[in-house]
Amino acid sequence: GQNIDQPTEMTATEGAIVQINCTYQTSGFNGLFWYQQHAGEAPTFLSYNVLDGLEEKGRFSSFLSRSKGYSYLLLKELQMKDSASYLCAVRLSGAGSYQLTFGKGTKLSVIP
Amino acid sequence: KAGVTQTPRYLIKTRGQQVTLSCSPISGHRSVSWYQQTPGQGLQFLFEYFSETQRNKGNFPGRFSGRQFSNSRSEMNVSTLELGDSALYLCASSLEAAGSRETQYFGPGTRLLVL
Repeated sequence: GQNIDQPTEMTATEGAIVQINCTYQTSGFNGLFWYQQHAGEAPTFLSYNVLDGLEEKGRFSSFLSRSKGYSYLLLKELQMKDSASYLCAVRLSGAGSYQLTFGKGTKLSVIP
Repeated sequence: KAGVTQTPRYLIKTRGQQVTLSCSPISGHRSVSWYQQTPGQGLQFLFEYFSETQRNKGNFPGRFSGRQFSNSRSEMNVSTLELGDSALYLCASSLEAAGSRETQYFGPGTRLLVL
């Protein structure tokens, strides 16, 4: 089966840096996505990694190590609006297929 | 460019009834996927459609079905509703699927409550 693990909850202080980890064990791999989901809203795309290394996009960075089945999302200069759930998702390989398997999400609370 | 739209946004049904949810993808997007989101299980993949063909199906019972029309709009149907079907149903569309960086864009979801 597919298994994606991430911490259930995290708390961090406004202005600080937080790292949200994700480990995965899946039958096939064709990319890893991070999504942000505010309460009551749809998930919105943050980042995509398919090769090992760091992808940076403004205050958000995402890292991938395929050999370790590991990724993290790094949020810098935290703002109150960053309080949300962060979802790690793996796209499984396979011809003509777009299927994302999600972790259960990490609820991040940013405190003053 | 308009985003993914889903109708209805909220729905209340009783056990045993059936329900049909609708999704209109972003213009030009041909891949449409459906997910169920519950507090306990998180986001779970239901199925994916591309050019009116179901390409992938998750581990859900046959009561869950879907289809896609020639204009890429998609519907999903749940028959013989159970209390456990209460969830947020999310639709996501993407421009192209296998082998690309293209991400999926999610709609606002339909919140279904089964009484």
